[in-house]
Amino acid sequence: EDQVTQSPEALRLQEGESSSLNCSYTVSGLRGLFWYRQDPGKGPEFLFTLYSAGEEKEKERLKATLTKKESFLHITAPKPEDSATYLCAARGFKTIFGAGTRLFVKA
Amino acid sequence: NAGVTQTPKFQVLKTGQSMTLQCAQDMNHEYMSWYRQDPGMGLRLIHYSVGAGITDQGEVPNGYNVSRSTTEDFPLRLLSAAPSQTSVYFCASRVQENYGYTFGSGTRLTVV
Repeated sequence: EDQVTQSPEALRLQEGESSSLNCSYTVSGLRGLFWYRQDPGKGPEFLFTLYSAGEEKEKERLKATLTKKESFLHITAPKPEDSATYLCAARGFKTIFGAGTRLFVKA
Repeated sequence: NAGVTQTPKFQVLKTGQSMTLQCAQDMNHEYMSWYRQDPGMGLRLIHYSVGAGITDQGEVPNGYNVSRSTTEDFPLRLLSAAPSQTSVYFCASRVQENYGYTFGSGTRLTVV
């Protein structure tokens, strides 16, 4: 059965303390791995799509990477405004979302 | 560009009432979907559409109906509301099947 698991559930960082969020997936015939950011009370906002193992994409302090079993969202020198829930989703025959990682960045 | 617009933002229903959640997009996207988001769970697909006149069931379709008469609009109907349908509902659209979604701002529904 297709499955997407995100870890940790919550992550507390100090401003400037780099870290990574993990997204493990079990999907037959991966057709895309997606990362979204969701702020409280709002809809998810699209960040990246990765299509094949070894692919990387960057946007400001965020970099997403992909292997055959997992994806990482690396956050370099985070700021308080990076605090949000980060969702990943994997698309095989259908799109499966993980439950998300809540990131808190303290000034 | 407005993107994906959902109305209402908040709604309280009594058990057994019916209502329609509205969704409209102005990006000419063929693919539209309805998701529900519950605490501790990933977004779950309710219904989706790959174009005007074409709809299909997702993971949790029971108790909900959809129709797609135009490219722009994709309303979600709750037939007889139940407390288990208390959730946050998101409408989303995308230009192609393997592209990322653009989400609306959500409707927070409470059924009492």
